[in-house]
Amino acid sequence: DQQVKQNSPSLSVQEGRISILNCDYTNSMFDYFLWYKKYPAEGPTFLISISSIKDKNEDGRFTVFLNKSAKHLSLHIVPSQPGDSAVYFCAASSYNNNDMRFGAGTRLTVKP
Amino acid sequence: DGGITQSPKYLFRKEGQNVTLSCEQNLNHDAMYWYRQDPGQGLRLIYYSQIVNDFQKGDIAEGYSVSREKKESFPLTVTSAQKNPTAFYLCASRTGGTNTEAFFGQGTRLTVV
Repeated sequence: DQQVKQNSPSLSVQEGRISILNCDYTNSMFDYFLWYKKYPAEGPTFLISISSIKDKNEDGRFTVFLNKSAKHLSLHIVPSQPGDSAVYFCAASSYNNNDMRFGAGTRLTVKP
Repeated sequence: DGGITQSPKYLFRKEGQNVTLSCEQNLNHDAMYWYRQDPGQGLRLIYYSQIVNDFQKGDIAEGYSVSREKKESFPLTVTSAQKNPTAFYLCASRTGGTNTEAFFGQGTRLTVV
């Protein structure tokens, strides 16, 4: 049973507009959430994270929002750039177990 | 130059043979992880280790084995019992006991023929 879900396999946006990537989780023990960017045949690179004690974390063009009651988080990229085109993975972990589960990923395409 | 290294990048094996994938880190991280990526499946957790001489099964541990004899090393053995071993394997590490980001290696593409 997938504990972290990304229900949109792909997203296409125009350069300069906002990209919103969504993620849902089922395990209420998760208390730390991460977003990674990945290119084919490479390891993921860390983008931004958020602790369950916060509802928003911002880093430059990237903002992550967490809604604990809905078990939902989202990554906003503003403005989107063609270089942002990649697969984005959402991940969740719990402090006690130190495990880390990933979603299936969303392929973002930013068109010039 | 600190980092996490997986070797080799590409690996070919005949069906029925065991194969061991290497993962080494010099980041002084306590926790290490192995994931498998198949097309459309995301990253699925195989095994993880929070500390030396200890490891836990992830979601798809069947047909795999690991060891953690040293802090720096977390090798993964793909055994002949793994039904569909051809995949992209990723190793990661992070500071244990705290909520921090994990760092990934560049991955090993295993092809079993």
